[in-house]
Amino acid sequence: NAGVTQTPKFRVLKTGQSMTLLCAQDMNHEYMYWYRQDPGMGLRLIHYSVGEGTTAKGEVPDGYNVSRLKKQNFLLGLESAAPSQTSVYFCASSYSTSGLTDTQYFGPGTRLTVL
Amino acid sequence: GNSVTQMEGPVTLSEEAFLTINCTYTATGYPSLFWYVQYPGEGLQLLLKATKADDKGSNKGFEATYRKETTSFHLEKGSVQVSDSAVYFCALKNTGTASKLTFGTGTRLQVTL
Repeated sequence: NAGVTQTPKFRVLKTGQSMTLLCAQDMNHEYMYWYRQDPGMGLRLIHYSVGEGTTAKGEVPDGYNVSRLKKQNFLLGLESAAPSQTSVYFCASSYSTSGLTDTQYFGPGTRLTVL
Repeated sequence: GNSVTQMEGPVTLSEEAFLTINCTYTATGYPSLFWYVQYPGEGLQLLLKATKADDKGSNKGFEATYRKETTSFHLEKGSVQVSDSAVYFCALKNTGTASKLTFGTGTRLQVTL
């Protein structure tokens, strides 16, 4: 049981390049999330998904797109990377939204640098 | 809207010292409150949670009590260890869809021998 995994762990892009970050979970969780972590700002929600085939905007969605074609995978895309997107990106998943099973489980993160 | 305010770090303590990390929140309704911990080079892990007023969450010697009257959820530990060195995040989840979390900015704890 690997939990939440993220690919890649590190990436350096040039301004204007595109890339996709992959998040996978093997816990059969319905809900998945993408956050970015910046110094002094904690974690901010980019996009999230409440189930296969669904996505929704979070707090800071501009410049990002997401897809959830399979329940276990949640992809985060940058179509035209900008230096302001230099950050550490975390994926998380949860089984439900209430009660004992709403805990979010986080992946190890992807460190992205945009030059 | 929702917001979480944490004390700024870093907090530097000697081993076996008492730890308090302050956290206050602003939210409508009755949010659930969480403390997450991030060890160097890793993702966040849930440390403890409380879902209603006066609940006390506890784990690994850490405790926090949901105080609705002061809108606070301060993290405490009676005797810290070097292995507790990490960044601690306070977070809240309000009722509604998708279990979205609002995080504080994080407090770095450094414990020395």
